[in-house]
Amino acid sequence: EAGVAQSPRYKIIEKRQSVAFWCNPISGHATLYWYQQILGQGPKLLIQFQNNGVVDDSQLPKDRFSAERLKGVDSTLKIQPAKLEDSAVYLCASSLAGGAVLFFGQGTRLTVV
Amino acid sequence: QQQVKQSPQSLIVQKGGISIINCAYENTAFDYFPWYQQFPGKGPALLIAIRPDVSEKKEGRFTISFNKSAKQFSLHIMDSQPGDSATYFCAASMTIGNNDMRFGAGTRLTVKP
Repeated sequence: EAGVAQSPRYKIIEKRQSVAFWCNPISGHATLYWYQQILGQGPKLLIQFQNNGVVDDSQLPKDRFSAERLKGVDSTLKIQPAKLEDSAVYLCASSLAGGAVLFFGQGTRLTVV
Repeated sequence: QQQVKQSPQSLIVQKGGISIINCAYENTAFDYFPWYQQFPGKGPALLIAIRPDVSEKKEGRFTISFNKSAKQFSLHIMDSQPGDSATYFCAASMTIGNNDMRFGAGTRLTVKP
């Protein structure tokens, strides 16, 4: 069974530039999560989708972050404009609908300079 | 956002020793308590999990001890091996509802040969 796929693996951008990350969840997983993991900290939930609807985006900085999950499968997370404090690993995870177990991708390491 | 407090931040154990990582949670509505293991450059992966209706769960060398009244749970790694060197995250979620999983800050475990 293929795992959660994310791209790119690494990205370096200058502050005020924009960046987008892509995630393909495990086939059949209705729930998709984006987490932000700052170095030395645990993952922090940014947004949760159930199929193509948003379940929870209370921690998403909506002035600069946006996410979508068209057709209830792939998802993209965008940051525009990026700030230095956005430097982190962005993790995508998926689970079965109502499932407790989250399966994580390898993440995208973003460095904002 | 922190609802799960984890300690210690780092831990060094000799090969064959016992590694113990502790977590405390605040929200009594949490009903699922997993531990995730993360190697450098990889996403977190589920190691073992427990629900509050049991006080202990063991899988191989890994054991979760759960104290519902104290709102605490811990991970014990018996006969620790160098291959166990990784960052460990405790987490908690409410599986009824959003399944919004909250993570601890992580413990970096180093097992010395």
